[in-house]
Amino acid sequence: GAGVSQSPSNKVTEKGKDVELRCDPISGHTALYWYRQRLGQGLEFLIYFQGNSAPDKSGLPSDRFSAERTGESVSTLTIQRTQQEDSAVYLCASSFVVGAPNQPQHFGDGTRLSIL
Amino acid sequence: GESVGLHLPTLSVQEGDNSIINCAYSNSASDYFIWYKQESGKGPQFIIDIRSNMDKRQGQRVTVLLNKTVKHLSLQIAATQPGDSAVYFCAVAPLNDYKLSFGAGTTVTVRA
Repeated sequence: GAGVSQSPSNKVTEKGKDVELRCDPISGHTALYWYRQRLGQGLEFLIYFQGNSAPDKSGLPSDRFSAERTGESVSTLTIQRTQQEDSAVYLCASSFVVGAPNQPQHFGDGTRLSIL
Repeated sequence: GESVGLHLPTLSVQEGDNSIINCAYSNSASDYFIWYKQESGKGPQFIIDIRSNMDKRQGQRVTVLLNKTVKHLSLQIAATQPGDSAVYFCAVAPLNDYKLSFGAGTTVTVRA
């Protein structure tokens, strides 16, 4: 079946513009995660959605970052007034959260964001 | 919080040899451990996971070893192939917590 799908795959924008990144999780996965990966580094947790529960936004680096999810489907990550430090790959992952905890997270290929 | 580190940022291995990638973690309450492989321009790909009630788990050509006493995790790849060249990440999470803490990654290069 289809994996996690992210769009756009690449985004180049000018400093100060807003950007919106999209994630389509694997069908049936109730949990959805966003991460940021700077060049040559590991993944930084940004936000977590699980069903109808309030999202865990503890990883969002500033109030310029926000995310939404419609039910158990598509999620969008929005960055307002982008800064050069926002340049990174933004990765989305999804997983089952049924029964036993800690199900493997499955990742999309990310959106490579470049701020000029 | 959790600190996750890798012993070597890079590893060069001869094709056909076995590879061992190491990872250390700081939180003794860590319960879930997972390895990912990331190829250039791609997202991390799940390889194998293990829970704290186990010391060893095997997959296809891969073995994960967990030493809770010294808080050390390793990934062994048997008969390394050119397609194994990638960045490998370990990640850990406490019991019943979805929040994974990732290490910085080890870049594995396979020599022909």
